[in-house]
Amino acid sequence: DAGVIQSPRHEVTEMGQEVTLRCKPISGHNSLFWYRQTMMRGLELLIYFNNNVPIDDSGMPEDRFSAKMPNASFSTLKIQPSEPRDSAVYFCASSLLNTGELFFGEGSRLTVL
Amino acid sequence: AQTVTQSQPEMSVQEAETVTLSCTYDTSESDYYLFWYKQPPSRQMILVIRQEAYKQQNATENRFSVNFQKAAKSFSLKISDSQLGDAAMYFCAYRSYNQGGKLIFGQGTELSVKP
Repeated sequence: DAGVIQSPRHEVTEMGQEVTLRCKPISGHNSLFWYRQTMMRGLELLIYFNNNVPIDDSGMPEDRFSAKMPNASFSTLKIQPSEPRDSAVYFCASSLLNTGELFFGEGSRLTVL
Repeated sequence: AQTVTQSQPEMSVQEAETVTLSCTYDTSESDYYLFWYKQPPSRQMILVIRQEAYKQQNATENRFSVNFQKAAKSFSLKISDSQLGDAAMYFCAYRSYNQGGKLIFGQGTELSVKP
């Protein structure tokens, strides 16, 4: 079975540009999570969805960040406009609803110049 | 709100020796999951071991075992016969049965293995 698939693996952009990160969860999983990892702040939960519905977005840093899950097999995390402090590795993870471990994608490393 | 604390930012172990990584958590819930994840330099997050809070028996996966003390809210990871490939960042994590099941991570412990 394919695992969680994220794209792009690496993104370098300039300040002010729009960035879109994509995630395809494991088929059959109905919970999806977006995390951000930095040296200073560790692993932060940004937002998560159950059955495509956002449950908790309290970790989203500010209005420049938005996430969508239009269907069970696809989610996006968008940053507009991007800033250098958004540079981080962004992980997507999926799981069965309310149970068990999360399965992580390989992460998207974002660098904003 | 639940919190997870890993008090050891760095640990070191000699190859073939045993090392224990510490984790404590704070919760008012009685039902939850606890996990240890490993993150090697490749940055992939890999599940090492899981424990359901209702189970009294400590989980074991080959060379990896946990010491789960529910009353003390402690969840340590023991790595036996350490190998060079065990060198990585290790994260302790908590997942509630409720509240939609979000996963909360500790700060991580970076483990180095000396040959």
